[in-house]
Amino acid sequence: GESVGLHLPTLSVQEGDNSIINCAYSNSASDYFIWYKQESGKGPQFIIDIRSNMDKRQGQRVTVLLNKTVKHLSLQIAATQPGDSAVYFCADGNTDKLIFGTGTRLQVFP
Amino acid sequence: KAGVTQTPRYLIKTRGQQVTLSCSPISGHRSVSWYQQTPGQGLQFLFEYFSETQRNKGNFPGRFSGRQFSNSRSEMNVSTLELGDSALYLCASSLFLAGEETQYFGPGTRLLVL
Repeated sequence: GESVGLHLPTLSVQEGDNSIINCAYSNSASDYFIWYKQESGKGPQFIIDIRSNMDKRQGQRVTVLLNKTVKHLSLQIAATQPGDSAVYFCADGNTDKLIFGTGTRLQVFP
Repeated sequence: KAGVTQTPRYLIKTRGQQVTLSCSPISGHRSVSWYQQTPGQGLQFLFEYFSETQRNKGNFPGRFSGRQFSNSRSEMNVSTLELGDSALYLCASSLFLAGEETQYFGPGTRLLVL
């Protein structure tokens, strides 16, 4: 079946550095992906999305890269701040139901 | 615009009881989806409603059910609760128009089954 996975369960970065969170997917027909951020005690918060007709999309301090050849996407956070500490999920939004990866916990230390 | 709201935020029940959770979508959103989040299984899709009709269903037993009202508000019900039903139940809403499928989540209802 379809699956989405993240490469690292935990990522620790120093404040001010750039963070890169990776995600792989299995369904080559998937054409819509979303990144969510979930802080402790809260629901997932939409960060950025990308469609398969693009290979890069930029937001405020965030960039998502999509490599359809190897079925991989990444979320880059520039100048990581303490407020970025959370669990990050990529989701395959190809169908009505989102298929989530297992999540990467981003820890930001001073 | 107000976000997705869920009530109650926390709930404690005992095995065998039943529970009803409520979700109010973002104004104008007609699609409501429910997800279960546990440490072991992560975020798993339960079902999705659009215009009061269930359009999609995940792999959960029949004890899990839901409905949607004409104002797009949705409820989910779990009957005969089991310990393993302890989880964060998340509701998400979307416009579900072409190019506007993004799902926005509520804060969740944390259910503890004793």
